[in-house]
Amino acid sequence: SYELTQPPSVSVSPGQTASITCSGHKLGDKYASWYQQKPGQSPVLVIYQDTKRPSGIPERFSGSNSGNTATLTISGTQAMDEADYYCQAWDSSTVVFGGGAKLTVL
Amino acid sequence: QVQLQESGPGLVKPSQTLSLTCTVSGGSISSGSYYWSWIRQPAGKGLEWIGRIYASGSTNYNPSLKSRVTISVDTSKNQFSLKLSSVTAADTAVYYCTRATELELDIWGQGTMVTVSS
Repeated sequence: SYELTQPPSVSVSPGQTASITCSGHKLGDKYASWYQQKPGQSPVLVIYQDTKRPSGIPERFSGSNSGNTATLTISGTQAMDEADYYCQAWDSSTVVFGGGAKLTVL
Repeated sequence: QVQLQESGPGLVKPSQTLSLTCTVSGGSISSGSYYWSWIRQPAGKGLEWIGRIYASGSTNYNPSLKSRVTISVDTSKNQFSLKLSSVTAADTAVYYCTRATELELDIWGQGTMVTVSS
């Protein structure tokens, strides 16, 4: 079965750029989506189709996907961005999630 | 705007069947090229996709759960449902219903906690 691998944790200082990676075999040949989940809340879609931002998602969130790695980048990271982030792709008509990465802003 | 709301028992006994319903409001479950999916998340763990259904009734399931899962749709009530049979403590989780396109899960319900315990 297809697997997506994320680092368990990522740390960033306020105002700096955070990069969260998601690795999978030929992931660049698929579309990647990213979800933000804050404690006690439902996940929220922040990036879809590799690079697109849903309405209402700040411009500081961006995405890329090439080769075996998709990357979520948060520019000018704010304290409110501290959350768990999950990548997701489709494979053989099934949804696959990465294990999630906890972003700490310190 | 479209909203999703999960409902169902919060406590299920081991070996029994977990049954949840998702009510869609603000739009028709039959309109657009959307799938309707179930996702679950055990406490402190990651997201697990359970399966999806199209308004026509066609389904896809997570292979690891396929033998125990049934997802159905009732377009007259604008609802879709999840049944998970032979539950164990490992099925204890927050269950989310979502709207999905072919590529992403764009709208999520608030989630409902289901505990499997005698």
